[in-house]
Amino acid sequence: GAVVSQHPSWVICKSGTSVKIECRSLDFQATTMFWYRQFPKQSLMLMATSNEGSKATYEQGVEKDKFLINHASLTLSTLTVTSAHPEDSSFYICSARGASGSGNEQFFGPGTRLTVL
Amino acid sequence: KQEVTQIPAALSVPEGENLVLNCSFTDSAIYNLQWFRQDPGKGLTSLLLIQSSQREQTSGRLNASLDKSSGRSTLYIAASQPGDSATYLCAVSLGSNYKLTFGKGTLLTVNP
Repeated sequence: GAVVSQHPSWVICKSGTSVKIECRSLDFQATTMFWYRQFPKQSLMLMATSNEGSKATYEQGVEKDKFLINHASLTLSTLTVTSAHPEDSSFYICSARGASGSGNEQFFGPGTRLTVL
Repeated sequence: KQEVTQIPAALSVPEGENLVLNCSFTDSAIYNLQWFRQDPGKGLTSLLLIQSSQREQTSGRLNASLDKSSGRSTLYIAASQPGDSATYLCAVSLGSNYKLTFGKGTLLTVNP
């Protein structure tokens, strides 16, 4: 199956700093990438949808100025958590969908564990 | 708003047993349904994808069925093994935006 990577796999930062998480599709071109967050023992909640070359679409309740998403190429999307606070500590997972032929299946990255002190 | 429910929330079985995980969704106008596996602290591994026009999909010891009209899907695992222990997530996509709505998952433990 298609491979999606995320970097870093975990990060610890101080409150008030910004953190950038990368999501890459390694062996296919991803026209659409999705960003999710997952709190302990909870399911994944969609934060935003990003299409290459256009602005991301954010879900209701997600602050677009706090969670900056850039999808500059067909293989890379980045999520920047700006001025992070302890309540932003979570597991962030991206997924990618290919242009065609994949049955609209989404392929998920391994996730990034963010801890804000 | 689409809601996805998974029952049971947790399941513990002895090795070798066949088992069924359940998923229900409130809006039957789905585009497709996916079953995923998540190991602790890890990302998601896609197990099976069922398009809205399909009734079931099979991969090895796994079989997923879909009854769109009743808003239900089941994941059948045959001859369970300790390595099957993980959280199983069901997710549905409503349409061309390909957004997935996830259930909370079923935590499966297969005891040797």
